[in-house]
Amino acid sequence: QVQLQESGPGLLKPSETLSLTCGVTGDSISGSFWSWIRQPPGKGLEWIGYIHDSGHTNFNPSLKSRVIISLDTSKNQFSLKVTAVIPADTAVYYCARVRGGSASYFDLWGRGTLVTVSS
Amino acid sequence: SYVLTQPPSVSVTPGKTTRITCGGNNIGSKSVYWYQQKPGQAPVLVIYYDSHRPSEIPDRFSGSNSGNTATLTISRVEAGDEADYYCQVWDSSSDHPYVFGTGTKVTVL
Repeated sequence: QVQLQESGPGLLKPSETLSLTCGVTGDSISGSFWSWIRQPPGKGLEWIGYIHDSGHTNFNPSLKSRVIISLDTSKNQFSLKVTAVIPADTAVYYCARVRGGSASYFDLWGRGTLVTVSS
Repeated sequence: SYVLTQPPSVSVTPGKTTRITCGGNNIGSKSVYWYQQKPGQAPVLVIYYDSHRPSEIPDRFSGSNSGNTATLTISRVEAGDEADYYCQVWDSSSDHPYVFGTGTKVTVL
């Protein structure tokens, strides 16, 4: 059974860097696309970006200047960094596996981790 | 960027059928995906490629897509179907390719 698990600090101050890791078990991260999605409290879903083990990445234009997504095949995990966080970055952050011939949808999600940005 | 519009909420009686719409410009030309999100939980894929169900999803869930509207239909609604439902498309022409709908809260009365 494939499982994804997010981990990382839950509380940040404005201007700090958000760093999360998604550990994947039951599947190799090689050969697939992997994504980060977030959901502010009480609001909808927002795609952040994805990475493929070829190194190909794509990001939401609204976050592109602050986001880094990387992948570690030796640990079977991928990571998210968001620099210079602001309170509006407060959200539950999900990692997800991307599927489809065009990498078009998310078939498996982690349980999510709440990140709060507050002074 | 592409916009997907859903009704904020729908209410349904157990055993009845409910339909959740997802409106978008010529959405019938795109593939639509649906996710169910129960309170405090991660989203779960319930429909992919407009009308296909993952093996673990009951056949009470079905999808269709035509023109400017995609629809998720839940038949024989159960109390456990109470959740938020989000549609999603992949817009290949956009630099923001993954677009989610605004979400619909399904309340089982």
